[in-house]
This record gives sequence, C-alpha cells and structure tokens, in this order.
Amino acid sequence: DVQMTQSPSSLSASLGDRVTITCRASQDIRHYLAWYQQRPGEVPNLLIYAASTLHSGVPSRFSGSGSGRDFTLTISSLQPEDVGTYYCQKLNTAPLTFGQGTRLDIK
Amino acid sequence: EVQLVQSGAEVKKPGESLRISCQTSGYKFSDCWISWVRQRPGKGLEWMGRIDAGRKPADISESYTTYSPAFDGHVTFSADRAISTVYLDFASLKASDTGMYFCARLAGGSSTSEFDYWGQGTLVTVSS
Repeated sequence: DVQMTQSPSSLSASLGDRVTITCRASQDIRHYLAWYQQRPGEVPNLLIYAASTLHSGVPSRFSGSGSGRDFTLTISSLQPEDVGTYYCQKLNTAPLTFGQGTRLDIK
Repeated sequence: EVQLVQSGAEVKKPGESLRISCQTSGYKFSDCWISWVRQRPGKGLEWMGRIDAGRKPADISESYTTYSPAFDGHVTFSADRAISTVYLDFASLKASDTGMYFCARLAGGSSTSEFDYWGQGTLVTVSS
C-alpha cells in the first residue's frame, strides 16, 4: 500500500508567519490528495482537494500545491484559529490513507 | 443543509458487540459513498473503509463496501436506505478499539473523493 509521510510532525510559528507543511507519497498519486484541519477537540475539516483546489468557505490564506509524490500545504499568514493538526490524505485508490499528521501551534 | 449525525458514546467490555449509526440528511442518500475513520486517543486519523450507501448489490458477489486491510474481518459496514443511515458494526470488541469513530461523506458520488462532511464522532471505550 502507498504510505503518506508528513513533515514536520510538529511546528511552532509566530502569528503572521508563512507556514509550510509537506506530504510525500511512497508512489505517484497524481493530483489525488486532500488536506484537512483538525482543531483541538473538533471534527476534521476539509481544506484542499485535488492537491490545490480550495474547499468552499476556506480562507484564501490556505493553499495547496504539488503532484505525483510531493505535496505542500501553505498558510500565508498564520492566524490564532489555525492552531491544530493537519492531515494529508491520498485519494487515488483504496486504501484512502491519511498522513500521520502535523501539529501546529503558536510560538 | 448536509448533516451526518452519529449515535452517542458507548462503554463496552471486551468481547461485546457494538453498532454505531450515522444518520444523514440534506442530500440524496444514494448519491454518495460514506467512509468510517478511527482516531485513537491522542493519535491520528485512520481510514477504516467505505460503503456505497445507496446501492444494494444485485448480485451477492458484487461488493459495495471496501475495507482497509487493518480493519477487514473485524468490522462490518451496512446501510438502511429507508432511513438514510449507515452503520458500523463490531462483532467482538477489543480494548484496542477504544477511540473516536467518525463517519464522513465522500464528495461528488465517487468512491475516491475527498471527505466534505463529517459526523460529530462517537466515542467508544472498551474496558473490562
């Protein structure tokens, strides 16, 4: 099965910082990747699908890029409400595996 | 408004059976697949599998469920189209089944779409 590896596992950043999280697939998954945000104690929320398409209602400071094996989630200017854990997920074929998550907090 | 409403928290003993429900509304039930996702305490998201909620197989050999290898044989998905509800069944619980279970809708009617709506989660505690 294809493995999804996120880096870093955790990071701290200051308000207003540009934050980048990466996700690497062990095989080519083309553009079949989604990103989710899970705030502490809450349900996961879809941010990005098809690697770079912003889900409806998601702030424009979030963006996604990449294809094949390497993908990136970028927050252009970190806000307090962005604290939480971020997950990538492969969507080309089953199993629809998640990455292990990246925990983001405010420095 | 699309909603997925899950059944309440459960406390069970090892070896007991359990059924969790996920009642959907606000869209045509047969249009979308539903996935189940586990989150153990303090851990990440684990995809358990998916069910084509609205389709009843015409042939018993036709599969409308897919299970992650990690969960295959331990859980069963089913659906009741009359009440737009999907179910997650455990025949014999283990302590390692303790965690939060989410149902989630796959967008756009595809079996490989992103998860655009999620249930609120059902906390399952398995302890002797």
